[in-house]
Amino acid sequence: QITLKESGPTLVKPTQTLTLTCTFSGFSLNSNGVGVGWIRQPPGKALEWLALIYWNDDKRYSPSLMSRVTITKDNSKNQVVLTMTNLDPVDTATYYCAHISKYCTSDSCYYFDYWGQGTLVTVSS
Amino acid sequence: AILMTQSPSSFSSSTGDRVTITCRASQDISSYLAWYQQKPGKAPKLLIYAASTLQSGVPSRFSGSMSGTDFTLTISCLQSEDFATYYCQQYYSYPWTFGQGTKVEIK
Repeated sequence: QITLKESGPTLVKPTQTLTLTCTFSGFSLNSNGVGVGWIRQPPGKALEWLALIYWNDDKRYSPSLMSRVTITKDNSKNQVVLTMTNLDPVDTATYYCAHISKYCTSDSCYYFDYWGQGTLVTVSS
Repeated sequence: AILMTQSPSSFSSSTGDRVTITCRASQDISSYLAWYQQKPGKAPKLLIYAASTLQSGVPSRFSGSMSGTDFTLTISCLQSEDFATYYCQQYYSYPWTFGQGTKVEIK
């Protein structure tokens, strides 16, 4: 059974750095074709993809956030960490991590199939 | 970035209705599209991937189809538990992008 859970601060001040941890179970990030991604959702708004990391340490970032976001993994701890710098109130959102599966041989055959419950991060002074 | 445009943004429907939600990609994404259901305060739940493949455990009243860059999510017989917001998402190329969502409300 695949589960993921996000953890981190609920309140961050503007200009500070946010560090979120996704702790997962039921799969290994060493396994071929597996990945973990981060998605956020401002209150009442749509989902926005932020970043992802694959089993082979390939990392992809949203261009709009690339200068502020870093994603890393720790296979020994079954964790993926998202770091976001220089926070602004517009970064207030629920942050989700999600498991990525591969379903065919094409380089595009990846999708989010299991999601964490999400964690609300508020950016305010 | 590929723009995903959903329509309508919201609508009201009754239990038992057949409902259709459309998602249009701004360029060719082949069949690299997923549909998610999200209820208030909950994480999105995968319904369909590869445009038309039903995720394991999802009721068969949900189906997906595509025609060119237009994608459709159909609920054949709306149930009370289906009132939610639905999102499409392309994973053909980075950055992965979501539609703005379609809220299905009770009439």
